[in-house]
Amino acid sequence: QVQLVESGGGVVQPGGSLRLSCAASGFTFSSYGMHWVRQAPGKGLEWVAFIRYDGSNKYYADSVKGRFTISRDNSKNTLYLQMNSLRAEDTAVYYCAKDQRGFDIWGQGTMVTVSS
Amino acid sequence: QSALTQPASVSGSPGQSITISCTGTSSDVGSYNLVSWYQQHPGKAPKLMIYEGSKRPSGVSNRFSGSKSGNTASLTISGLQAEDEADYYCCSYAGSSTTWVFGGGTKLTVL
Repeated sequence: QVQLVESGGGVVQPGGSLRLSCAASGFTFSSYGMHWVRQAPGKGLEWVAFIRYDGSNKYYADSVKGRFTISRDNSKNTLYLQMNSLRAEDTAVYYCAKDQRGFDIWGQGTMVTVSS
Repeated sequence: QSALTQPASVSGSPGQSITISCTGTSSDVGSYNLVSWYQQHPGKAPKLMIYEGSKRPSGVSNRFSGSKSGNTASLTISGLQAEDEADYYCCSYAGSSTTWVFGGGTKLTVL
C-alpha cells in the first residue's frame, strides 16, 4: 500500500545537526513532488520545504531558509531533510507528505527535540 | 508567509452542520484555487479531506464540502458525527517563491 515512513528524529543540542529520512513505497516516488511539514508540541501545522519530482527545484519556509536542505534520492525512493544550526523553536514532529492535489499522503512523523 | 486565519474552535451537535472559515489574502487564498483541508485526530498524522477548494479525495465522506469566496475558504461538515471531532487545518498555495501556508487550526467539538 502507499506508505511514507520517517526516521532520524531524536534529541540534539542547540546549534547541532540532524538528518531526517522519509522512505516511500507503494507509488512511483520519482513522479511526485514531496514536502516536509512540522508541528510543534500543542501547535498547528507549519510547511517547511518542498522539492520537485526530479529534485530540480527546492523551496523553503523563511523560518528554515539557509539552515535546512531538502533533497531526494529517487533510486532509493527516499526523501531527506538535512537540518543544521538547530534552535529550540525547531522542536516539533516532522512529517513528510506526497504532493498530489494537496498533501495527499502523510507519514506518521518523527520527533525532533532541540534542547541542552 | 503569514498563517491563514481560522477560528480556534467550533462546536455542534450530532446531525447538525458546521462551517469552518479560513481567511487569507489576495496573495494566497484569493489568487489560487489551491486550498486544501486536513483533519487531524490527536496523536495522528493529518488526513486530506478537500483539495483544490472543493474536491473530495476518494474515500472521504460526501458530508465534507469546501467552497471559496474572495480571500476566504470554507469547510462545511454536514450530519455531524462523533468521529468528526478533531482538529481541522486549511492550507493554500501562496505563489511567490512557491510556498504553502497553513491556517492555525480549528478544534471541532461534537457535543
